[in-house]
Amino acid sequence: GDSVTQMEGPVTLSEEAFLTINCTYTATGYPSLFWYVQYPGEGLQLLLKATKADDKGSNKGFEATYRKETTSFHLEKGSVQVSDSAVYFCALITGGGNKLTFGTGTQLKVEL
Amino acid sequence: KAGVTQTPRYLIKTRGQQVTLSCSPISGHRSVSWYQQTPGQGLQFLFEYFSETQRNKGNFPGRFSGRQFSNSRSEMNVSTLELGDSALYLCASSQGTGGLYTEAFFGQGTRLTVV
Repeated sequence: GDSVTQMEGPVTLSEEAFLTINCTYTATGYPSLFWYVQYPGEGLQLLLKATKADDKGSNKGFEATYRKETTSFHLEKGSVQVSDSAVYFCALITGGGNKLTFGTGTQLKVEL
Repeated sequence: KAGVTQTPRYLIKTRGQQVTLSCSPISGHRSVSWYQQTPGQGLQFLFEYFSETQRNKGNFPGRFSGRQFSNSRSEMNVSTLELGDSALYLCASSQGTGGLYTEAFFGQGTRLTVV
């Protein structure tokens, strides 16, 4: 079945540091890929998405490129802020419908 | 535009009881999906309803069931509660038209504690 593997957390960075959160996937067919963010006490918010190979999703300074050859969708941000502290989930969908398969989540803590 | 509303936000139940959670999707959205979030298992898909029909189902026991009404509001029910059912239950709504993925908007969740 489909699966998503993301790097273990927590990740602790200083403000303005570079962020990379690794995500790889296994899927039948051609999945669409997503990054969601969850702030404390909240539901999930879509951060960015990519629907085909070589697509780059971007939002709020975050970027991720759909790499079919390495089955990866790593999240990056050039300069993190304290307000980026949250849990980040990589996810995919294959086929029709809205069944999202999530990774385990990576907690990010940004300190001053 | 109002977001996805889940009620109640918090719930405490005793083992063996049953519980019903409610989700009101964004107006105009016809697809509602449910997920269980636990520290050990992460986010797991329960089921999806589209136009009152279950379109997808995850690997959960039959104690977990759901339904969708004609106004797209959805309920999920868990019978014979077990301690392991303690979790955050998240609902997501999307337009979900034509069987294709459209962006899912999540509610804040219902925190269920089974004692």
